[in-house]
Amino acid sequence: ETGVTQSPTHLIKTRGQQVTLRCSSQSGHNTVSWYQQALGQGPQFIFQYYREEENGRGNFPPRFSGLQFPNYSSELNVNALELDDSALYLCASSILDSTGELFFGEGSRLTVL
Amino acid sequence: GENVEQHPSTLSVQEGDSAVIKCTYSDSASNYFPWYKQELGKRPQLIIDIRSNVGEKKDQRIAVTLNKTAKHFSLHITETQPEDSAVYFCAAPVSNFGNEKLTFGTGTRLTIIP
Repeated sequence: ETGVTQSPTHLIKTRGQQVTLRCSSQSGHNTVSWYQQALGQGPQFIFQYYREEENGRGNFPPRFSGLQFPNYSSELNVNALELDDSALYLCASSILDSTGELFFGEGSRLTVL
Repeated sequence: GENVEQHPSTLSVQEGDSAVIKCTYSDSASNYFPWYKQELGKRPQLIIDIRSNVGEKKDQRIAVTLNKTAKHFSLHITETQPEDSAVYFCAAPVSNFGNEKLTFGTGTRLTIIP
């Protein structure tokens, strides 16, 4: 078991609403990355957090934001939800600049109606 | 930024035969190439990776080869078994600043036929 946990596992929202997804890192890991996985696609990098600051961002608009807490847990916030935001959101923890291996959680499946 | 293309999108092989999945990348500065396996409804898990200072790496029935000149790398699975059925993703770093920020391919759904 990887030790990365995410909540909630499933949720349904409507267009324009806001959502917060949560992630607890694996013990000993200092970095959290968030990925969006649309149905039938590979994960897409949203952003990474290290030492409570954003440490790199993919091609996602500012309405996607995040936080990392002192205990290395993290939140992903999405404002003004759009239909295309429907996807599986994966959190991955790692140790910065070590092997590179990402330890993924089971994901939060978001449906936007 | 990095662009990763993966082929084929689906692959069916008889149990015991070999499977090969190929990926190309665009950024010649990339130096880390992992492969992740995602079983249905499960999280992606790293199965093997290769760094640019080697051309091939093996781990039991799984091997990865890298051709830096041509900018492509491949996953080879020999003696396939039913539990190899899954979606496989190749990946490369989004930039050359950290191997944890990855661009993934679109995935290959591998089905092992008993």
